[in-house]
Amino acid sequence: AQSVAQPEDQVNVAEGNPLTVKCTYSVSGNPYLFWYVQYPNRGLQFLLKYITGDNLVKGSYGFEAEFNKSQTSFHLKKPSALVSDSALYFCAVRDRTGGYQKVTFGTGTKLQVIP
Amino acid sequence: NAGVTQTPKFQVLKTGQSMTLQCAQDMNHNSMYWYRQDPGMGLRLIYYSASEGTTDKGEVPNGYNVSRLNKREFSLRLESAAPSQTSVYFCASSEGGAYYNEQFFGPGTRLTVL
Repeated sequence: AQSVAQPEDQVNVAEGNPLTVKCTYSVSGNPYLFWYVQYPNRGLQFLLKYITGDNLVKGSYGFEAEFNKSQTSFHLKKPSALVSDSALYFCAVRDRTGGYQKVTFGTGTKLQVIP
Repeated sequence: NAGVTQTPKFQVLKTGQSMTLQCAQDMNHNSMYWYRQDPGMGLRLIYYSASEGTTDKGEVPNGYNVSRLNKREFSLRLESAAPSQTSVYFCASSEGGAYYNEQFFGPGTRLTVL
């Protein structure tokens, strides 16, 4: 069974500082990994994904994520946080060897960027 | 493009009532999904449809039924609503065919069952 963990319910960071939102995963094979963002009263929006190749993935709005196979992690990062980045962030994993079209989502991390 | 649309946006039901949540996408995607979002639990898959004409159960299908009406539309029905079904429901779609395709989500339906 596949699973994903977001160990922090909330992350607070000052505007202009770098931010990291953590994600670890567990799959039986090699993973596809995703980050989504949810603004209040909205649906999830896709930020970036890891398929294969370069471990550093760049996505929308200046976000990037680093895939670390040995640590089974896929942390979301941004060099300089904006107040407008405040939202709920979800990590998701899909096992590429499975035949079941299912994505497992983490429980979400609320990012608060303080002016 | 409207993307993924859902109706209604809000609904209040009494226990035992039935209702259908509607979802449509205009991106010509093959796969569609229904999720529920509850505090502290992330998103849980209720049902999905890999392609037109097929539907399969997800993680939490009990108390729900779905219909893939055509390639664009995927509806979720609650036959006899229960308070445990109070949640925010999201419909999503993806191109399908490859497991690395990202999903596109609708704005959600906030359902309260009294």
